[in-house]
Formats: sequence, structure tokens, C-alpha cells
Amino acid sequence: AQSVTQPDIHITVSEGASLELRCNYSYGATPYLFWYVQSPGQGLQLLLKYFSGDTLVQGIKGFEAEFKRSQSSFNLRKPSVHWSDAAEYFCAFSSGGYNKLIFGAGTRLAVHP
Amino acid sequence: DAGVIQSPRHEVTEMGQEVTLRCKPISGHDYLFWYRQTMMRGLELLIYFNNNVPIDDSGMPEDRFSAKMPNASFSTLKIQPSEPRDSAVYFCASSSGTPGAFFGQGTRLTVV
Repeated sequence: AQSVTQPDIHITVSEGASLELRCNYSYGATPYLFWYVQSPGQGLQLLLKYFSGDTLVQGIKGFEAEFKRSQSSFNLRKPSVHWSDAAEYFCAFSSGGYNKLIFGAGTRLAVHP
Repeated sequence: DAGVIQSPRHEVTEMGQEVTLRCKPISGHDYLFWYRQTMMRGLELLIYFNNNVPIDDSGMPEDRFSAKMPNASFSTLKIQPSEPRDSAVYFCASSSGTPGAFFGQGTRLTVV
């Protein structure tokens, strides 16, 4: 079955520390992969996306993600977290030729000063 | 562009009442999606349209839910009759031919 898994429900980091949020997918081919961020009471904002090509993708707000086919992963990273990064982060994928997104359960990020 | 616009932002209604949620997609986008977000089930795709035609409504939970897209700039999601378990945040999203959707701010529905 097609699915995406975010193993960490909650993560807490200190401001200025590095961050890595994990995402694994289950799909027979290479899917289109996305990371979205949702601040409290807000909609989802697209951080970055991977379709093909360079496996290291740069996004907005200083985020990047790396696609690793061998591990079926698409982890999100940021070298130095800011307090304003506290939010919920969703990994999603869509299968080739279709536009509908399948979301993971989300990871809630808390940032300590 | 103003982005995806949803109305109302908040809706409180009594059980049994009809509820209509509205969405205006980004101009030029030919895909429109309705999602529901709850604590228990996360983000669920309810239905999506391409060029105003419903493509996949397999996520619509029951016959009480219906969605329409009469033209390229407007869509509705209707619940009739509403039940307390329908309480959730409902998101509309739109996209062009490239995968990756843009989301509205959502409608928080509370059915009492």
C-alpha cells in the first residue's frame, strides 16, 4: 500500500541547534515528495518538493531535504533552528501522474530558547 | 494572487443542520482538493476535481457529504445533516498540472 510514515510525533530542540525530521515512504516507484509546514491555526505552506534530479533539495526558510532511494526516505533538515520554526511539519507524496497528496501523520516541533 | 480563499473561517452549527463550506482556488489552477484534518485521523483527502470534474471521491466519508465545482473559480463542500463527529478543520487546496498543492487557511467546523 502507498503510505508515508513520520516516525517522530514530537521533537524538541534548542534554538540554534540543528534539526532533522524523518520521513519514509512506501511506493513501488519514485514518488513526488513534499514537505509542508503548518503553524497553529494556519493552513499548510509548501517548504520544498522533489520530483527528480538532484537528491538534495533546497526550500524556503532555510530548510533542505535529501531523497535517499535506498532508504525510501526524504528527511527534512535545517542547520540552525529559530524559535519561529515551532510548528507541525508534514511529509507527503503523490504517485506519478496523479496530483493527490498523501500525508504523513505529522511531526510537532517545539523550540526551546 | 490572493491564494486559496476559504469561507467561513469558523463555523459552529447544531447537529442536524446543513453546513456549506466554500472555496475559491488560485486563478489558473485546474486541480482542486478538499481535505479534512482531525487529531485522530490527520489529513485526509476527501475529494478532488480536475477541470471542474470530480476525479476521486473515495475519501468522502458518507452520503451526507457532497462536493461541487460549478466553475473554475468556486467549489463547495456540503454536509447534510451535520453530526458532532464531523467537527474538524476542512482545507481546500489547488494546484496546476505540477504536483504540489497550495492550501487555504481552512474552515474550523464545530458541530454541537
